[in-house]
Amino acid sequence: DQQVKQNSPSLSVQEGRISILNCDYTNSMFDYFLWYKKYPAEGPTFLISISSIKDKNEDGRFTVFLNKSAKHLSLHIVPSQPGDSAVYFCAANNAGNMLTFGGGTRLMVKP
Amino acid sequence: NAGVTQTPKFRVLKTGQSMTLLCAQDMNHEYMYWYRQDPGMGLRLIHYSVGEGTTAKGEVPDGYNVSRLKKQNFLLGLESAAPSQTSVYFCASSSDISRTQYFGPGTRLLVL
Repeated sequence: DQQVKQNSPSLSVQEGRISILNCDYTNSMFDYFLWYKKYPAEGPTFLISISSIKDKNEDGRFTVFLNKSAKHLSLHIVPSQPGDSAVYFCAANNAGNMLTFGGGTRLMVKP
Repeated sequence: NAGVTQTPKFRVLKTGQSMTLLCAQDMNHEYMYWYRQDPGMGLRLIHYSVGEGTTAKGEVPDGYNVSRLKKQNFLLGLESAAPSQTSVYFCASSSDISRTQYFGPGTRLLVL
């Protein structure tokens, strides 16, 4: 039972446009959500997080939106740059429990 | 600041061979984790540790053993490697079990 799902295995975007990566979850107890970015031959690196008490969190070009009623979160990258090309994982948990990761979405930003 | 390091970076094993993957962190984190990453399956937790001398099973523990003799090190062992264990293995650490984890660069393992 996949509690965190990233239904798009890949996404291609033109440089300068917006990238929107989506993530759905089933566990209503999740209260903390993260996005990780992974380049080939490297480990995942933390990108941005959001607590369930918020519906939006911004960090530079990256914004995460949380829709608790729909059990859905999204990562917006504006403007997209070729260096953003990577695999993005969303993850979720609730206090005292492990992170559960989605399957990842490969983002390709074309120059 | 090295963060989380893993050795080796790449290894080829024959079926039935054994090996140990080493993870080290210099952030004084209590919690450490071993994951495997397979195409389309994200990161799956193998084993984890909540402190020196403790270990616990994750989602996919079969065929693996772990030890945490020192706070900064977490070892993952394969006693008898199988082709199904061909994967990329990531170690991670965190200061709290439920918050941001910091990952090592990974070990690519090929079992023939």
